[in-house]
Amino acid sequence: EPEVTQTPSHQVTQMGQEVILRCVPISNHLYFYWYRQILGQKVEFLVSFYNNEISEKSEIFDDQFSVERPDGSNFTLKIRSTKLEDSAMYFCASRAGTGHTDTQYFGPGTRLTVL
Amino acid sequence: GQNIDQPTEMTATEGAIVQINCTYQTSGFNGLFWYQQHAGEAPTFLSYNVLDGLEEKGRFSSFLSRSKGYSYLLLKELQMKDSASYLCAVLDSNYQLIWGAGTKLIIKP
Repeated sequence: EPEVTQTPSHQVTQMGQEVILRCVPISNHLYFYWYRQILGQKVEFLVSFYNNEISEKSEIFDDQFSVERPDGSNFTLKIRSTKLEDSAMYFCASRAGTGHTDTQYFGPGTRLTVL
Repeated sequence: GQNIDQPTEMTATEGAIVQINCTYQTSGFNGLFWYQQHAGEAPTFLSYNVLDGLEEKGRFSSFLSRSKGYSYLLLKELQMKDSASYLCAVLDSNYQLIWGAGTKLIIKP
């Protein structure tokens, strides 16, 4: 069964450093998402991406964040200058795009720790 | 504002039935999802309701009442592996998922 994959599973970085989180969505899916979940808190929407551009973004997704689909398979989230409060699980999700309401499938997540 | 409410934690016994409730107030409604999330893992899809009524899928069922802004997830014949958080999420008018904080379900033998 196809699945969303993410790398790395864990990332530890120093405050102020740049990190790139990588995702490979399910093949043939058209919509891609990034979410974050701070430990013990709710899942929070960051950004959605379709047709090589951002379609929606939340207040959290400020100028420190960017997304890219550098090739036909990868979908990346870059945090330019990490802050302590960026420590969280980051989940990538994708959906087929056959309809607005089709299911989003989540990757296993990247646990980001900022020291 | 947008708001989704779920109980923070519930406890149930192995083999029993448990109902997890979710109420929502959102800007528009294009369906409600239930996801299961084990600690440290990704949410996995359980169910989707967009019309009123009950959807049954094996041991899990989900109910929706749009007029009441209410849904529940019903888990039957509970197993220890069902210990997890259950997340209610609503697809709003912009087709964005708005998430509840999740209900942590503890199953006791």
